[in-house]
Amino acid sequence: EAQVTQNPRYLITVTGKKLTVTCSQNMNHEYMSWYRQDPGLGLRQIYYSMNVEVTDKGDVPEGYKVSRKEKRNFPLILESPSPNQTSLYFCASSLSQGSPEAFFGQGTRLTVV
Amino acid sequence: AQSVTQLDSQVPVFEEAPVELRCNYSSSVSVYLFWYVQYPNQGLQLLLKYLSGSTLVESINGFEAEFNKSQTSFHLRKPSVHISDTAEYFCAVSAGNFNKFYFGSGTKLNVKP
Repeated sequence: EAQVTQNPRYLITVTGKKLTVTCSQNMNHEYMSWYRQDPGLGLRQIYYSMNVEVTDKGDVPEGYKVSRKEKRNFPLILESPSPNQTSLYFCASSLSQGSPEAFFGQGTRLTVV
Repeated sequence: AQSVTQLDSQVPVFEEAPVELRCNYSSSVSVYLFWYVQYPNQGLQLLLKYLSGSTLVESINGFEAEFNKSQTSFHLRKPSVHISDTAEYFCAVSAGNFNKFYFGSGTKLNVKP
């Protein structure tokens, strides 16, 4: 089954404790991205990657890092989480840069206390 | 840059009644338009999309949307809603190379029996 898998689904952590949210897709997609969803703001892009070892900032990259060492994986790293990063995070993938449809993961609900 | 406005944050409606969820966008270039649906505790699923051609697009579950270039709108409609349509709906636009989706703030559709 074609899917985008995120882990964990839920995470509560403390300020400053480094964490990684994993994202994996099994569709051989080139393009992957991370969004955060906040009430009343919709989804905002954090980072995106057009292929292995090619990443770039989205609209709200501060406080986040990403890496793309393999085509299927695109982890989101919070080196020193803060309470304002409490949010619902979605990973998405598309076949290529020109593909019109994005496939989304189930989401990761992160709470930073 | 592109932006998306969803005029209603919540839309309550009775089962079997018609519904319209409004979406307006702004862009200085040609855009591609999408509606995504998010059921409770799930990720986003593509509902329908407009890329080119006929301005009226339909989904498999009875929703339709019409691209109106002069009014810069892409409103979502369904003539008769079901309880199972209860979800949050996001309008999104993308321009050019689909690198980034710009999402509206979402509309929660609550279908009552």
